[in-house]
Amino acid sequence: GQQVMQIPQYQHVQEGEDFTTYCNSSTTLSNIQWYKQRPGGHPVFLIQLVKSGEVKKQKRLTFQFGEAKKNSSLHITATQTTDVGTYFCAGPGQAGTALIFGKGTTLSVSS
Amino acid sequence: ETGVTQTPRHLVMGMTNKKSLKCEQHLGHNAMYWYKQSAKKPLELMFVYNFKEQTENNSVPSRFSPECPNSSHLFLHLHTLQPEDSALYLCASSQGRQVFQETQYFGPGTRLLVL
Repeated sequence: GQQVMQIPQYQHVQEGEDFTTYCNSSTTLSNIQWYKQRPGGHPVFLIQLVKSGEVKKQKRLTFQFGEAKKNSSLHITATQTTDVGTYFCAGPGQAGTALIFGKGTTLSVSS
Repeated sequence: ETGVTQTPRHLVMGMTNKKSLKCEQHLGHNAMYWYKQSAKKPLELMFVYNFKEQTENNSVPSRFSPECPNSSHLFLHLHTLQPEDSALYLCASSQGRQVFQETQYFGPGTRLLVL
């Protein structure tokens, strides 16, 4: 079945370092969404990308959709302790089924 | 905060108990979802309801029984659970027109412990 693969599974950085998580699909995606789940919290929608090669920024977060619409990335510049959590990408399901979530990348930040 | 509430927030139950989880959304959405989240499988979709009709059941054991009386409420009835069912159960909702690509809004979850 359709899957979205995320790497890495875990990432630890020092505060101030950059962080990137990648999402890959074997099939072309009509769009991709990103969610963040803080420790002890629930997933919260961050952004949706639709266009080939699209780049969107939210403060220190940069989201990119690949030209072939098969991959996406989330880059955080100069991480802060408030960035800790698990970042999920989600792609469209097949034949009208619900979103397919990746397994997530858990980010920890030490000060 | 998100417009999706879940009760109870924490639940401890024995394997012979029967309990129900409740989810309510105040967003005017028509699709609702149950997810199981554990360390091994971060976000595991269980059931999808769209306009009160069940549209997805991802091979969930029959000891989990969903109920959707209207578009605003979703229940998950639990009976004779196993310890491996201990997890965070998340409810989510979306507009319901194109569930395959709609943004989902999650509730805070119910942390379930089965003893």
